[in-house]
Amino acid sequence: QSVLTQPPSASGSPGQTVTISCSGSRSNIGRNPVNWCQQLPGAAPKLLIYTNSARPSGVPDRFSGTKSGTSASLAISGLQPEDEADYFCGAWDDTLDAYVFGSATKVTVL
Amino acid sequence: QLQLQESGPGLVKPSETLSLTCTVSGGSISGYYWSWIRQTPGKGLEWIGYVFYSGTTTYNPSLKSRVTISLDTSRNQFSLKLSSLTAADTAVYFCARGFGADVFDVWGQGTLVIVSS
Repeated sequence: QSVLTQPPSASGSPGQTVTISCSGSRSNIGRNPVNWCQQLPGAAPKLLIYTNSARPSGVPDRFSGTKSGTSASLAISGLQPEDEADYFCGAWDDTLDAYVFGSATKVTVL
Repeated sequence: QLQLQESGPGLVKPSETLSLTCTVSGGSISGYYWSWIRQTPGKGLEWIGYVFYSGTTTYNPSLKSRVTISLDTSRNQFSLKLSSLTAADTAVYFCARGFGADVFDVWGQGTLVIVSS
């Protein structure tokens, strides 16, 4: 059981918007920034969003992140077939004194 | 462009020590955090620990008693040692660069390690 809770799956048709939630607690999301990774099938994770809402160079602005209280969200707008992947949230946990990841959400493009 | 490449045995026996190396190419080790992260189907992603370029280390408390991460700046490499292996340590092991202690911006491709006799 992961410290950060994500829905196991999400789906949408091409062009639609999909939103993935990441629920934590005061000791992690409540106090620390959230990052999001994308993992394409058979590949290593790739940083998608850092410090709640910043995008690394090269990440399309279709990907956006927000944080409020002890929860965070990743939105994928203008969904494309190549967005089909697993998405993980992560944050430092002050109580565990460790970086923790969410349980992953598999996004399917219908 | 910075690239990370893990290397090490794909099969290790229970109770033995796993040794993995991550070679950093296309960039310097200086100024960054260097982490090991593993992934299993059952537990998902698990952060193991990091070594800062200065040599300072921080480990996941759940693994701390069994983990050592070290740096070899002359070879642009960092390494993981995980002792007292059990089947639960079977996983894909990734090395990653962090531009903060908690932002992993470059990942290696990962290496599968199976613990079995």
